[in-house]
Amino acid sequence: GAVVSQHPSWVICKSGTSVKIECRSLDFQATTMFWYRQFPKQSLMLMATSNEGSKATYEQGVEKDKFLINHASLTLSTLTVTSAHPEDSSFYICSGGLVDTQYFGPGTRLTVL
Amino acid sequence: GNSVTQMEGPVTLSEEAFLTINCTYTATGYPSLFWYVQYPGEGLQLLLKATKADDKGSNKGFEATYRKETTSFHLEKGSVQVSDSAVYFCALVLAGGTSYGKLTFGQGTILTVHP
Repeated sequence: GAVVSQHPSWVICKSGTSVKIECRSLDFQATTMFWYRQFPKQSLMLMATSNEGSKATYEQGVEKDKFLINHASLTLSTLTVTSAHPEDSSFYICSGGLVDTQYFGPGTRLTVL
Repeated sequence: GNSVTQMEGPVTLSEEAFLTINCTYTATGYPSLFWYVQYPGEGLQLLLKATKADDKGSNKGFEATYRKETTSFHLEKGSVQVSDSAVYFCALVLAGGTSYGKLTFGQGTILTVHP
């Protein structure tokens, strides 16, 4: 199957700082990518849809000013957690692919101290 | 709206036991159905999928059949191995409109297989 990479795989930051997470499709072009958040022992919750060349679409309850998404090319989407706080600590996962088959990145573990 | 319900876990089995993880769904259209597997500390991997009623998805000894009449997509494996220990997610996606590519996940079922 297709490959999606994420970088970094884990990050620890201080409260109040911003963190950028990259999601790349390595062997296909993705006009649309998705960002999910997963809490320990829980399911994935869709945060937003990242659209190449246009604004992201956020799910209800997700703060767009806190979770900035940029999809500057057909192979790269970035999620920036701005002014991070401990409650933002989570596992962030991106996906891309076809309408009926999504390929997931390995995830980024964010810990905010 | 759309939703996916999985049997609650955790599920603990001995090696070579038979596995069933139940999954039912509600959807406003005709979804494609998926099983994803997540190994500890990793992202999700597509295990199998089915795109229309009566389709059977299969991979690595796992099988699931798309049952429209019972709105179910139960995961089965005849003989589990220790290496199958992971979290399994049932999911659906609708093909059109604003739901393009958006997966709706079940809550996940933790499977532990003992030697």
